[in-house]
Amino acid sequence: GAGVSQSPSNKVTEKGKDVELRCDPISGHTALYWYRQSLGQGLEFLIYFQGNSAPDKSGLPSDRFSAERTGGSVSTLTIQRTQQEDSAVYLCASSLQGLAQHFGDGTRLSIL
Amino acid sequence: QQQVKQSPQSLIVQKGGISIINCAYENTAFDYFPWYQQFPGKGPALLIAIRPDVSEKKEGRFTISFNKSAKQFSLHIMDSQPGDSATYFCAASRNSGGSNYKLTFGKGTLLTVNP
Repeated sequence: GAGVSQSPSNKVTEKGKDVELRCDPISGHTALYWYRQSLGQGLEFLIYFQGNSAPDKSGLPSDRFSAERTGGSVSTLTIQRTQQEDSAVYLCASSLQGLAQHFGDGTRLSIL
Repeated sequence: QQQVKQSPQSLIVQKGGISIINCAYENTAFDYFPWYQQFPGKGPALLIAIRPDVSEKKEGRFTISFNKSAKQFSLHIMDSQPGDSATYFCAASRNSGGSNYKLTFGKGTLLTVNP
């Protein structure tokens, strides 16, 4: 596909479980961002990847959150020991040179 | 600290009217200001963006007006259509190293265009 692809589109899990969210960026886009969208906090930056450079992890809310990007393409966001406040839509965006960011449709995460 | 303040929270406009959404920012280091449109169940889609070296940018029915001294920018939607009904987000960013333009978003405006 031509756009950013995220999977799963919906995820329901129990409190305390670990979850993995996947992002396939637009082919050729070197910059990749994760954001979180929640009713209370709006859209928030989580983490940024660019090539082989060290990621910008300044937006990760706790050490339960981690992300990696393998081979400069696919990225995985992992949340360990999920809490109810982690319920949100997790959005991935990619960009050719960082500016014009193109978003996927997100993963809707619900913690029971 | 809310670095980008957006107003109004919601807006109702008649078809054919002009929709105006305003944003104000705190950080003078911001140098890239995009607007995003989001439909329910979808991710935000980039509409139009501006850099601070120009005061206005127009693309079709969408115009950004930028006032650097007031640290404000606004989105104008001319000839608003029911299909424009969506949530609109303003954002701001600056280069944080490399090509890192992480976005700081406003809280969003829910626009309803009545037929």
